[in-house]
Amino acid sequence: AQSVTQPDIHITVSEGASLELRCNYSYGATPYLFWYVQSPGQGLQLLLKYFSGDTLVQGIKGFEAEFKRSQSSFNLRKPSVHWSDAAEYFCAVGRSNQGGKLIFGQGTELSVKP
Amino acid sequence: DAGVIQSPRHEVTEMGQEVTLRCKPISGHDYLFWYRQTMMRGLELLIYFNNNVPIDDSGMPEDRFSAKMPNASFSTLKIQPSEPRDSAVYFCASSQPPMNTEAFFGQGTRLTVV
Repeated sequence: AQSVTQPDIHITVSEGASLELRCNYSYGATPYLFWYVQSPGQGLQLLLKYFSGDTLVQGIKGFEAEFKRSQSSFNLRKPSVHWSDAAEYFCAVGRSNQGGKLIFGQGTELSVKP
Repeated sequence: DAGVIQSPRHEVTEMGQEVTLRCKPISGHDYLFWYRQTMMRGLELLIYFNNNVPIDDSGMPEDRFSAKMPNASFSTLKIQPSEPRDSAVYFCASSQPPMNTEAFFGQGTRLTVV
């Protein structure tokens, strides 16, 4: 079955500390992978995406993610977290010929302490 | 472009009433998606359209739910009759594959059925 797992429901980090949010997927075809961020009361904003090529992808707001096929993972990282990064983060997987038909993980809520 | 536009942003209705949610996709996008977000089930795809034609409605929970896309710039999601368990945030998204498989999300409609 196709699925996305985000093992951490809630993470708290100190401002300025590094961040890694985990994402594992199960998908029969070659996956297209995404990370979205949702601020309270807002829609989802795309942080970055992986389709093919270089397995380390750069996104907006200083985020990056690394695709590891052998581990079926697509973890999101940021070297130094800012208070404004507090939000909920969703990993998602899709397929090239299905537009934005995505399977989402349950999300990881990030809190940033001063 | 103004992005994906959803209306209303908030809707409170009484059980048994009909509810209609509206969406205007990004101009030129061929795919339109309706997602629902709840605490229990996370983000789940309800239905999606390609060129105004419903492609997959397997995520529609019950016959009480229906969706239409009469033209390329407008879609509705209707719940009739509504029930308290329909309370959720409903997102509309659009995309334009194959070069941009990512989905662009609207701000969502928060539905409360009392």
